[in-house]
Amino acid sequence: DVKVTQSSRYLVKRTGEKVFLECVQDMDHENMFWYRQDPGLGLRLIYFSYDVKMKEKGDIPEGYSVSREKKERFSLILESASTNQTSMYLCASSALGGIGFQETQYFGPGTRLLVL
Amino acid sequence: DAKTTQPTSMDCAEGRAANLPCNHSTISGNEYVYWYRQIHSQGPQYIIHGLKNNETNEMASLIITEDRKSSTLILPHATLRDTAVYYCIVRGETSYDKVIFGPGTSLSVIP
Repeated sequence: DVKVTQSSRYLVKRTGEKVFLECVQDMDHENMFWYRQDPGLGLRLIYFSYDVKMKEKGDIPEGYSVSREKKERFSLILESASTNQTSMYLCASSALGGIGFQETQYFGPGTRLLVL
Repeated sequence: DAKTTQPTSMDCAEGRAANLPCNHSTISGNEYVYWYRQIHSQGPQYIIHGLKNNETNEMASLIITEDRKSSTLILPHATLRDTAVYYCIVRGETSYDKVIFGPGTSLSVIP
């Protein structure tokens, strides 16, 4: 059974604070993803990583950075939190797969972040 | 940009089969059909996926039409815990292809 865990289910921070969201997967997956989910906007990809120390920007990377020092752990960092970063943050992971072979993304439980 | 259309909402009686339709008329040959569901305030849960053939697992069955332009997710014996938003998506063959959810179908299982 794939297990993706996130460090917090709920988080309340103040504007300007540095925020760390951690994600850990136990399936030795190469790929890890950070999304945010907002009503009416669906799921939007922030960053993803296909290997340790590798990262790629998604659709909305502004205001975020990531870190992947170990294969099982992918951190999302909000350098200076702003109110428009209030959202549900979802981490996902998937195996690498081969050419032409799709691999399922498995999601964590989500972190609901409120920035005041 | 979601490539699928689904009904906004559906009801199903507890214990009956829930059949959730999805249209994906622009699907290309190497794209898979995936189904996820999301129970309120939780992360999306993977259900099933398929390319051409019908698929079944412990959670559900996926029926894909021969022309691949539509599919149906079947929950054979719906329970109250199956109340959730169900997302049908199509994904390319790249393993780090992002997941894009449309509005989904809000399924309510009625006692």
